[in-house]
Amino acid sequence: QQQVKQSPQSLIVQKGGISIINCAYENTAFDYFPWYQQFPGKGPALLIAIRPDVSEKKEGRFTISFNKSAKQFSLHIMDSQPGDSATYFCAVLTTSGTYKYIFGTGTRLKVLA
Amino acid sequence: EAQVTQNPRYLITVTGKKLTVTCSQNMNHEYMSWYRQDPGLGLRQIYYSMNVEVTDKGDVPEGYKVSRKEKRNFPLILESPSPNQTSLYFCASRLADIVGDTQYFGPGTRLTVL
Repeated sequence: QQQVKQSPQSLIVQKGGISIINCAYENTAFDYFPWYQQFPGKGPALLIAIRPDVSEKKEGRFTISFNKSAKQFSLHIMDSQPGDSATYFCAVLTTSGTYKYIFGTGTRLKVLA
Repeated sequence: EAQVTQNPRYLITVTGKKLTVTCSQNMNHEYMSWYRQDPGLGLRQIYYSMNVEVTDKGDVPEGYKVSRKEKRNFPLILESPSPNQTSLYFCASRLADIVGDTQYFGPGTRLTVL
């Protein structure tokens, strides 16, 4: 089973601070690296995603940094807000055969007001 | 509104009592999946379907069945539930096998098997 290792498991950040969540994967044959945001009682929703030919993607306060040689990618939330408090999942997409997403174990983020 | 719906949202049952969790999407998506979410394990795929009458096992299919008789519906069947199937279940759909295609999740079904 190909795995995606996500850290930390939980994170507490002060309002206005930077939240950083990291993921590492074991296989180079992945084609897409999305991050999902999940609020309590809701399903995960796509937040931001990156393709392996790009080293960084920014959308508003959210940035993905991608290091192909290290097989790592991270989510940075700038100016973190209490409304960002949620669980975040990284994922990788394998396209060998039927396309399949493999998810990380999740990070519970709490932003203190 | 484009959405994936699941029913029921919460279910408490007893060991061995067959149950079905329904899933429906209104986006004309070809690809649908079922996941279970457990603390410390993330989301794991149970079954998926590439189109009507085409289904295949995911990573944790034991104890589950699915069917895809209509494009919009993808029910998850537990014929003899056991306590280790207590979990949070999500149905998801996406248009097709396209890199960059967005996967949409339902609101989840929290199942407790006593």
